[in-house]
Amino acid sequence: AQSVTQPDIHITVSEGASLELRCNYSYGATPYLFWYVQSPGQGLQLLLKYFSGDTLVQGIKGFEAEFKRSQSSFNLRKPSVHWSDAAEYFCAVAALNQAGTALIFGKGTTLSVSS
Amino acid sequence: DAGVTQSPTHLIKTRGQQVTLRCSPKSGHDTVSWYQQALGQGPQFIFQYYEEEERQRGNFPDRFSGHQFPNYSSELNVNALLLGDSALYLCASSLDRAEAFFGQGTRLTVV
Repeated sequence: AQSVTQPDIHITVSEGASLELRCNYSYGATPYLFWYVQSPGQGLQLLLKYFSGDTLVQGIKGFEAEFKRSQSSFNLRKPSVHWSDAAEYFCAVAALNQAGTALIFGKGTTLSVSS
Repeated sequence: DAGVTQSPTHLIKTRGQQVTLRCSPKSGHDTVSWYQQALGQGPQFIFQYYEEEERQRGNFPDRFSGHQFPNYSSELNVNALLLGDSALYLCASSLDRAEAFFGQGTRLTVV
């Protein structure tokens, strides 16, 4: 069965420092992978997605992620974190089949930014 | 473009009652999916509607049902509410098969 694991429940990073959030997936075929961000009490905003091609994908707000098939990983990175990046981050994989598409999410990583 | 809109934003219901949540997809989108997000958890897929039919369903009981209208808007109905149904319910719309855009959600509290 498809699954997504985000090993870090909570991460604290100093403002201006670099960030890496980990995501591992389990999927039998080529996955479609996503990172979403959620501010408290809000919906989900798509940061970036990987469908195929270049394994390093660029997203909004200065985020990037790298797809590594050999490690079944899709880690999210940002070179310099801003206080406004504090939020919940979710990695997701799309389970594609003939019937449609359901996103399978990890449990999320809470990012806190210290000054 | 108004994006995905959901109503109401907050709702309080009593155990055993029934509830209907509504979703209008992003302009041009024809597919609507519903997710349940319990506190501290990631969203879980409930079901997806396309062309007014349920196309795919997650692991949720039959108390959860839905509908899609000809204008692509959708409703999520939950019968016989349980305390455990308290959650943020997210609607997502898409045109492509995989890229989903989410609404702000409806916070349902069952007391």
